Amino acid sequence: QSALTQPASVSGSPGQSITISCTATSSDVGSFNYVSWYQQHPGKPPKLMIYAVTNRPSGVSNRFSGSKSGNTASLTISGLQAEDEADYYCSSYTTSSTSIFGGGTKLTVL
Amino acid sequence: EVQLLESGGGLVQPGGSLRVSCVASGFTFSTYAVGWVRQAPGKGLEWVASITATGGSTFIADSVKGRFAISRDNSKSTLYLQMNSLRAEDTAIYYCAKAVYNVGWYMGFDHWGQGTLVTVSS
Repeated sequence: QSALTQPASVSGSPGQSITISCTATSSDVGSFNYVSWYQQHPGKPPKLMIYAVTNRPSGVSNRFSGSKSGNTASLTISGLQAEDEADYYCSSYTTSSTSIFGGGTKLTVL
Repeated sequence: EVQLLESGGGLVQPGGSLRVSCVASGFTFSTYAVGWVRQAPGKGLEWVASITATGGSTFIADSVKGRFAISRDNSKSTLYLQMNSLRAEDTAIYYCAKAVYNVGWYMGFDHWGQGTLVTVSS
C-alpha cells in the first residue's frame, strides 16, 4: 500500500523559513520524481505550488521551493508571511499508474 | 483565463448513482489531461481518477475502481465522472483539475474548479 507521510502541523514566525517533509513509506512511488505540492486555504480549492519535485508554476512566489532526498521530498517556504498559513499537501505518481496524496500539514504562522 | 466549472453534485442514497460534470474554458481542452480529486468534509485530498487528452487512457483509484468511471467529450470541453454504487464514504467535494503539462497527467494539476458537493445519505 502506497503512502506519503507528512507532519500534521508545523509553525513558524513571520520572516522565518520552514520545511514540510513528505516521506514515501513504500517503493510504489518509484524514483519519486513526480512529486507535487499544493496549498489549500479554508474553503478554497488547492493551488499548485511545486510540480516534478522542484518546478514552480508561473505566478508562484520564489519563496516556495521543492527538493528531494531519497524517499523524502520537502517543501521549503522562506520569508514566512501571514498569508502562507494554510494546509499543504504533497502528491506523487505511483508505479501502479495512480496518484496519491499525503495526509496534509497545517502551517501556522505565529 | 482558465476556468473549470463543476456541476451535478447533490444528495443521493447509498447504492445510488450520480454523474458530475466539469466544463472547461480558457485553454485547448483537447490537448490536456484532466482529473478528479475529492475531499471529504474536514479531511485531506484524495485523487480519484485521471484521463489523457484524447480520452484513450483512464486511471482510477483503487478505492473507487469498478464503481466510478471517468470520461470526456472534447467537442464539448467537458469532463465527466460517473459514480455508481455510492457509499457514505464517497461523500465529499469533488474537484475537477487540469494537468500542468499537455503530456504526463501525473505531473500535477495547475488549475482547479471550485468543486461540487456529493452527499451520500439515506
